Amino acid sequence: NAGVTQNPKFQVLKTGQSMTLQCAQDMNHNSMYWYRQDPGMGLRLIYYSASEGTTDKGEVPNGYNVSRLNKREFSLRLESAAPSQTSVYFCASNLGEGQGTDTQYFGPGTRLTVL
Amino acid sequence: GQQLNQSPQSMFIQEGEDVSMNCTSSSIFNTWLWYKQDPGEGPVLLIALYKAGELTSNGRLTAQFGITRKDSFLNISASIPSDVGIYFCAGQLTDGGSQGNLIFGKGTKLSVKP
Repeated sequence: NAGVTQNPKFQVLKTGQSMTLQCAQDMNHNSMYWYRQDPGMGLRLIYYSASEGTTDKGEVPNGYNVSRLNKREFSLRLESAAPSQTSVYFCASNLGEGQGTDTQYFGPGTRLTVL
Repeated sequence: GQQLNQSPQSMFIQEGEDVSMNCTSSSIFNTWLWYKQDPGEGPVLLIALYKAGELTSNGRLTAQFGITRKDSFLNISASIPSDVGIYFCAGQLTDGGSQGNLIFGKGTKLSVKP
């Protein structure tokens, strides 16, 4: 099991460029999440997908879109990148079936710099 | 939105020392989780707590779910150099499922005393 994988690991964009961050999990989890991590801010939820075919906004969704492509894959898209989106992005997943199975497992992160 | 207050923000340890950190909230949580993040990596789960008053150990780590369900602490005994990193608490408001999303503390950064 690879767990949660993310691509790319690093990316530099110019303001206004678009890109998609990829995430995949091989644990047969129902729920997937996208977070951003900024210095001194902890992890903040951008979007999540409770199950295949559904997505919902988290705490900081502005400037992002997501697609739950299938049960395994959950992508995050920046349509027009801004310097404020410079951050480390983490994808996570969990079974999403109730207590004892709600532990979220994280990918290694994508470090994004917007110039 | 919901907030978790995690303290201390940072601390320096000497090998062999015991370490304590805690998280408090104005909200009641049904689950408390403690994660550790090494530089350049994603957070890794250390301990999960599901019941008020629960005390759980994982090797040299011990965590407790506060009786009021508004706080949790993590202790590390006899610290070693590989304990350095950032420790995050996270609380979940419902019994599970992604509708009970995690709220994260801002982290406690553990460093080695020079």
